[in-house]
Amino acid sequence: DAKTTQPTSMDCAEGRAANLPCNHSTISGNEYVYWYRQIHSQGPQYIIHGLKNNETNEMASLIITEDRKSSTLILPHATLRDTAVYYCIVSSNDYKLSFGAGTTVTVRA
Amino acid sequence: KAGVTQTPRYLIKTRGQQVTLSCSPISGHRSVSWYQQTPGQGLQFLFEYFSETQRNKGNFPGRFSGRQFSNSRSEMNVSTLELGDSALYLCASSWGLAVETQYFGPGTRLLVL
Repeated sequence: DAKTTQPTSMDCAEGRAANLPCNHSTISGNEYVYWYRQIHSQGPQYIIHGLKNNETNEMASLIITEDRKSSTLILPHATLRDTAVYYCIVSSNDYKLSFGAGTTVTVRA
Repeated sequence: KAGVTQTPRYLIKTRGQQVTLSCSPISGHRSVSWYQQTPGQGLQFLFEYFSETQRNKGNFPGRFSGRQFSNSRSEMNVSTLELGDSALYLCASSWGLAVETQYFGPGTRLLVL
């Protein structure tokens, strides 16, 4: 599975959009981009995934560049409950995910 | 519908003992994956079971084993516990037939003294 690079941490103001970048320059053609988040002491929570088209659901939007070497997770209106570690993962299947260090997102009032 | 459940939620053991953790997947899900999470190593894949067969395995020693029952419930076992086995053990379930999401349980926090 390809590796990903994410910033270690970022702050976001409550009510504003949070844009979380992820680099995955070695992604292969059959690998999807997944985003999960983990709130302290809980299991990871699925957010969104995509192959090459942009995706949107009730939680977030995923923007994947045309060359698929990077992506951005957008939380449109961050709340205090969005404070968590966000993981960007690339994988060709859903049952063997490899999580990196992720980005610690702190939403401030 | 009910989420993934794991039992017990907390466990304290001593070195040399063995432990069995249990995971009940979401109803209808046939794939169960196990992960170990520690502050130093992050979240690492242990193994995955689908229809009672181990389909994939991570890079862990043979002391870590698992199985899946016909009702898709899964157990993992760690024998001869070491201090370094202290971790949050997470179970995740999915349909397992295509690229889709995994749903994680709350985890079992194991402390080895």
